Amino acid sequence: AQRVTQPEKLLSVFKGAPVELKCNYSYSGSPELFWYVQYSRQRLQLLLRHISRESIKGFTADLNKGETSFHLKKPFAQEEDSAMYYCALGRGNNDMRFGAGTRLTVKP
Amino acid sequence: GAGVSQTPSNKVTEKGKYVELRCDPISGHTALYWYRQSLGQGPEFLIYFQGTGAADDSGLPNDRFFAVRPEGSVSTLKIQRTERGDSAVYLCASSGQASEQFFGPGTRLTVL
Repeated sequence: AQRVTQPEKLLSVFKGAPVELKCNYSYSGSPELFWYVQYSRQRLQLLLRHISRESIKGFTADLNKGETSFHLKKPFAQEEDSAMYYCALGRGNNDMRFGAGTRLTVKP
Repeated sequence: GAGVSQTPSNKVTEKGKYVELRCDPISGHTALYWYRQSLGQGPEFLIYFQGTGAADDSGLPNDRFFAVRPEGSVSTLKIQRTERGDSAVYLCASSGQASEQFFGPGTRLTVL
């Protein structure tokens, strides 16, 4: 069965500090992993996906199949990064399984 | 062009009533998804359409929930005999060729 676990419901860091949002998954097939973000009063939107191997807004995430993890990292957090972050596991164009989310607060 | 839209933005109903929630996907997107998000949780998959047909409805919690997409564009999620536990934000998303899903703003359903 597909399952996504985000162990931290809340994460608080100071501006300029590194941040890592954890995500672990379980899936028997070849996973497609995503990070979605929801800023205050905005809709859920894609932040990045593992197949693109890109950096968006300074965030990166590496798929570690051995540890079944897809942690989201940023070396220097900014106040505007404060938001809800959801890790998601997809199967091509089929449904997505989301984690419970982590609320990141970046303090000034 | 416009993104995914959902109406109404808020719906308050009484226990036992019937409700319909509407989703207008991005034009040309063949895939459409419904999710339910309860407080403090991530979106929970309900049903996925490819064109007019439901490709996967395994997430529908019971037979009170039903969704249609008769012309392969607009979709309606229907809930019969609503219960207080149905209160949540119902999200719709659509996608085209790529696997990125574009989400609507959601409909907040409150069952009193």
